[in-house]
Amino acid sequence: AQSVAQPEDQVNVAEGNPLTVKCTYSVSGNPYLFWYVQYPNRGLQFLLKYITGDNLVKGSYGFEAEFNKSQTSFHLKKPSALVSDSALYFCAVREGGATNKLIFGTGTLLAVQP
Amino acid sequence: DGGITQSPKYLFRKEGQNVTLSCEQNLNHDAMYWYRQDPGQGLRLIYYSQIVNDFQKGDIAEGYSVSREKKESFPLTVTSAQKNPTAFYLCASSMSIPTYGYTFGSGTRLTVV
Repeated sequence: AQSVAQPEDQVNVAEGNPLTVKCTYSVSGNPYLFWYVQYPNRGLQFLLKYITGDNLVKGSYGFEAEFNKSQTSFHLKKPSALVSDSALYFCAVREGGATNKLIFGTGTLLAVQP
Repeated sequence: DGGITQSPKYLFRKEGQNVTLSCEQNLNHDAMYWYRQDPGQGLRLIYYSQIVNDFQKGDIAEGYSVSREKKESFPLTVTSAQKNPTAFYLCASSMSIPTYGYTFGSGTRLTVV
C-alpha cells in the first residue's frame, strides 16, 4: 500500500536560515508527490509537485523540493526562511489504481523565529 | 474565478441535531472529498466521490452521510450518531488524473454547544 511519512511533528528555524521539512514515501510504481501548506483556520494550498523529470522541483513562495528515488524521499526546502512561512506543511502521494486518492502525511508544523 | 466554496465558515450544533455542510466547486472536477481535521492532527478521510451518484466511505465514515446528485456539489451531513463532531472540516476536489493534485476549500469549523 502507498504511504507517506513526515518524521518531524515540528521544525524550528531562525528567520533567514535555510529550512528543510522531511518527507519519505512508499509506493509501488512511479510516485506522484505533492506538498501543501495550511495556515491557521484555512484550507490547504498547493505548493509544488513531482511527476517526472528534474529531481529538483520549484514551487510557490520560493519553496523547492528534492526528489530522491534511492532514499524514497521528497524533502521540502527553502534557502532563507521568513516568519510568514510559519504554517503546517503536508506531504502527499497519489495512491494510484482505481481510486487515485492522495495519501497525506501527518503534517509538520514549521515555526520560524524572528 | 474557478474555485471550491465551503459554507458556512463557522457552524454550531446542539446535541442530537443533524447539520449539513455545503461544498460547491465550479472547476469541472470529477472527484470530491471530505476530510476531518482535529487540533494538532492530520487529515482523516470521511467520504469521497469519483462520479455523480456514486460515493465511497473513507476511514472515518461512521456518523456522517453524503450525497452527490450534481457534479458541482458534495454536501456532508453530520448526524446525531457522530459522538464527537467538533472539528475542522475540509472539502477538496480533483480531476481523475494521477498527476493532478487537490484543490481545497477554506473549511468549516463545527462546534457542538
